[in-house]
Amino acid sequence: QSALTQPASVSGSPGQSISISCTGTSSDIGSYNLVSWYQQRPGEAPKVMIYEVNKRPSGVSNRFSGSKSGNTASLTISGLQTEDEADYYCCSYAGSSTMVFGGGTKLTVL
Amino acid sequence: QLQLEESGPGLVKPSETLSLTCTVSAGSISSTTYYWGWVRQPPGKGLEWVGTIYYSGSTYYSPSLKSRVTMFVDTSKNRFSLKLSSVTAADTAVYYCARQRKVAVSREYFIDTFDMWGQGTMVIVSS
Repeated sequence: QSALTQPASVSGSPGQSISISCTGTSSDIGSYNLVSWYQQRPGEAPKVMIYEVNKRPSGVSNRFSGSKSGNTASLTISGLQTEDEADYYCCSYAGSSTMVFGGGTKLTVL
Repeated sequence: QLQLEESGPGLVKPSETLSLTCTVSAGSISSTTYYWGWVRQPPGKGLEWVGTIYYSGSTYYSPSLKSRVTMFVDTSKNRFSLKLSSVTAADTAVYYCARQRKVAVSREYFIDTFDMWGQGTMVIVSS
C-alpha cells in the first residue's frame, strides 16, 4: 500500500483557480468513489473539505470542488483567497478495510 | 457538537509501548453510523492512517503497522484506545483521533471520511 501521489506545492494569486491532483492506483482511487480532501493550517487538526469525491460538508465554501477520473482525483479551489493558504491532503479507501493518504500539497496564495 | 480529546504520555522510551486514549463527548461511540480512527503526523511530514475501530470491537489496521498496533474500545466510558508496541524514533508524531463515516455501497459497508478530529497530541520517542 503506497501513499497517493500529490504535487509538493502549488500556488496561485487571489481570485484565481487552482487544482491539486491526487494519483493512486486501480486498487484505491480507481476502484472506489471514497476520496476525501483535508485542509490543514499550521498547528491545527485537519478539516474535511470534500468527501466521496465531490460532496461538500455543510459550512465548506462552494469555492471548493472535487472530481475523479480513472486513478486520479482532483481538488479545485476557485476564487482563491489568502485564507485558503494551507496544506491539503487527499485520502482514499484502499480495499480490505484500509485507508491511504496522499503526501500533501502546500498551497501558497501569492 | 461532538468532541474528541486525545490523552496519554507525551514521552515514551524506545522499545516500549505507546498508549493513547481518545474520549468522545457530546455523542455516543456506540453509534452504528460511524467508525473511530487514529491518524498520525511526524513533525514536518504528512498524514498517515494508523487504524480504525468499530464500537463492536472490530478493528482495521494499517498494513505497515499491523504487527505493532492494537486498538480497543470501551463503550461504558465512551472512549477508544491505541497501543503501539516496540516504538522507535520514527514513531514520534502528533497522534490524532477522529470519527469516520460508515458508508453503504451496494449492500456493503466501508470505512470512509474522517469528519471530526481531536486537536492531536504530540508523542516523542526518546530515551
